[in-house]
Formats: sequence, structure tokens, C-alpha cells
Amino acid sequence: DTAVSQTPKYLVTQMGNDKSIKCEQNLGHDTMYWYKQDSKKFLKIMFSYNNKELIINETVPNRFSPKSPDKAHLNLHINSLELGDSAVYFCASSPTRDSYNEQFFGPGTRLTVL
Amino acid sequence: AQSVTQLGSHVSVSEGALVLLRCNYSSSVPPYLFWYVQYPNQGLQLLLKYTTGATLVKGINGFEAEFKKSETSFHLTKPSAHMSDAAEYFCAVSDRSYSGGYQKVTFGTGTKLQVIP
Repeated sequence: DTAVSQTPKYLVTQMGNDKSIKCEQNLGHDTMYWYKQDSKKFLKIMFSYNNKELIINETVPNRFSPKSPDKAHLNLHINSLELGDSAVYFCASSPTRDSYNEQFFGPGTRLTVL
Repeated sequence: AQSVTQLGSHVSVSEGALVLLRCNYSSSVPPYLFWYVQYPNQGLQLLLKYTTGATLVKGINGFEAEFKKSETSFHLTKPSAHMSDAAEYFCAVSDRSYSGGYQKVTFGTGTKLQVIP
């Protein structure tokens, strides 16, 4: 069983469209994250939820809206997609919000905006 | 604010040679330190971490790292490189204190390890 899964794996879309990426973890973890990895492999935290509560909200355009319907799921909706949104988006989870915990990463979603 | 610097975006070693990937951090207090590995088209996975106790930390796949407070470093080593070690390696740091009610992990820019047969 995949511990942290993301769908879709690839997403190709036009500028201005709205798209969603879904993430699920079956590890029973309390905390989930969204990261953006750019073309130079730089990994940046975007959001973090702990038991469905938003705890980290970095400087991200408000076109990006995370939603956590329950603690096993964290989805990312992106409105009015721009060229600069092209990247690989990783979902991750950890047992608790404490940063000494290992983070378990999903396989990533490669978003290409044309 | 915490930060992490990885020296060398690309490192090439021969198979069987020593692997040394460098990581230096900046933090007001000794932080939590991590090394993650990313294989092509995959997510990151933890190699090892330092939280407290022994400063020489052993991880998976024969890797180890030593926390040196005086040098603010956490370099990753492996005595003998294997072809399967070819990947991107990320050093990460997190403050022990809670800022704004949460702790954040900051990742370095990554080092791509190439292993030459």
C-alpha cells in the first residue's frame, strides 16, 4: 500500500484554467504538507495542516487554496493558472506537527502550464 | 531565521570512492538536522536525522553524518559509493523553538550525486 499518494501524477493545462491535486495518506499521521519544487529542484513549503487546521501558510498567491476534509486528505486547488506555476508539487505527512519528525513524501505531481 | 547551505550543486565520484556531501546551517540554537534523498521522478525519503544525543548519526544505505556545532555543519558521508546512490540529496534544518506556533523545516538547494562506473 502506498503511504502517501497523489493524483494526478502529471497535469498539463492551459493558462487561466483551474485545477486540483489530491493527496491521501494512510499512515494515520496528524500533519500534512504541500511543497513546490521548481525546475532547479528548490523545495519550498507552501502549506501545512494539523488535524485539519491550517498551521503554516507561506507567502503563496491566494490563487492557491488548500483544503483538508479530514486528517488523511489534503487537496490543493489552483485558480487562474500561470506559467510560473509550472513545477512539481509534493504532498507530505508526518506523525505530529513537531519538526523533529520524519516527513513522508508522495511521488509528486508534475504540473505544466502552457 | 534558520537557513541551510549545500556546497556544490553537482558532485561526481567514482564507484567505490568516498562520498562527501557538504551542508552548513545557520540557526540561533542547535537545530534539528536532516538528510533526504530524492531518486529520479520520486518523492523525498529520509536518510538520517539528528535531533539529540550522539553527534554521529547513521542512516540507511550506509550513509552517516556528523553534527559539528563549532563548524555549524552536518556533512553526509558514505565510505564507498554505489551506482544506486546516484540521486539528489537535500539537507534540511528546523529550529527547536516554535515561531508563530509552528516549526518549519527549511530545505537546502540540493546536491546531485553522479556515480561514475
